[in-house]
Amino acid sequence: KNQVEQSPQSLIILEGKNCTLQCNYTVSPFSNLRWYKQDTGRGPVSLTIMTFSENTKSNGRYTATLDADTKQSSLHITASQLSDSASYICVAPRGDSSYKLIFGSGTRLLVRP
Amino acid sequence: DGGITQSPKYLFRKEGQNVTLSCEQNLNHDAMYWYRQDPGQGLRLIYYSQIVNDFQKGDIAEGYSVSREKKESFPLTVTSAQKNPTAFYLCASSLTGTGDNEQFFGPGTRLTVL
Repeated sequence: KNQVEQSPQSLIILEGKNCTLQCNYTVSPFSNLRWYKQDTGRGPVSLTIMTFSENTKSNGRYTATLDADTKQSSLHITASQLSDSASYICVAPRGDSSYKLIFGSGTRLLVRP
Repeated sequence: DGGITQSPKYLFRKEGQNVTLSCEQNLNHDAMYWYRQDPGQGLRLIYYSQIVNDFQKGDIAEGYSVSREKKESFPLTVTSAQKNPTAFYLCASSLTGTGDNEQFFGPGTRLTVL
């Protein structure tokens, strides 16, 4: 069964601290995995896309990793800022239909001053 | 200023009424999508359209209808047959309908049934 599971469900950290969000996927065949950031009451915005051949990719203070063997991806946020407070969603194309996506339920991050 | 817009931002509906949510994009994208987001759940696909004048049901199409008469517009009608319509509705578009293309999302419409 194609699935994308995220952990933790929610996370609270102090401003300036680092954190790591996890995503486990069971999608076959695998083509790519994307991380989205969704501010409250807004639409998701893509942060980065990871393909099968990529292990690590950075976008500013956001660094995504992909381990194709364990089928895990992580999103590491460095030196968190208040504006990082949002939901982070892991997404992968469904293996049997490339235009249909499987969305994780997201990790809700709250950065406190 | 390119992007994808949705209106209205908030919508209230009485039981038994049909309502239509607007979605417009000026990105010249072929594919457009409607999703529903409920608390604690991942986005679920309602309908998608890979090209103008063509659309397919997603995973939760019952009680919804769409049209794609123009490339830039993909309105969603929530009918009275949808038993639990209160949710956050997101429209998205992508260059083509393949998983390699990023889906760009609109700001969403929050629908509440009174």
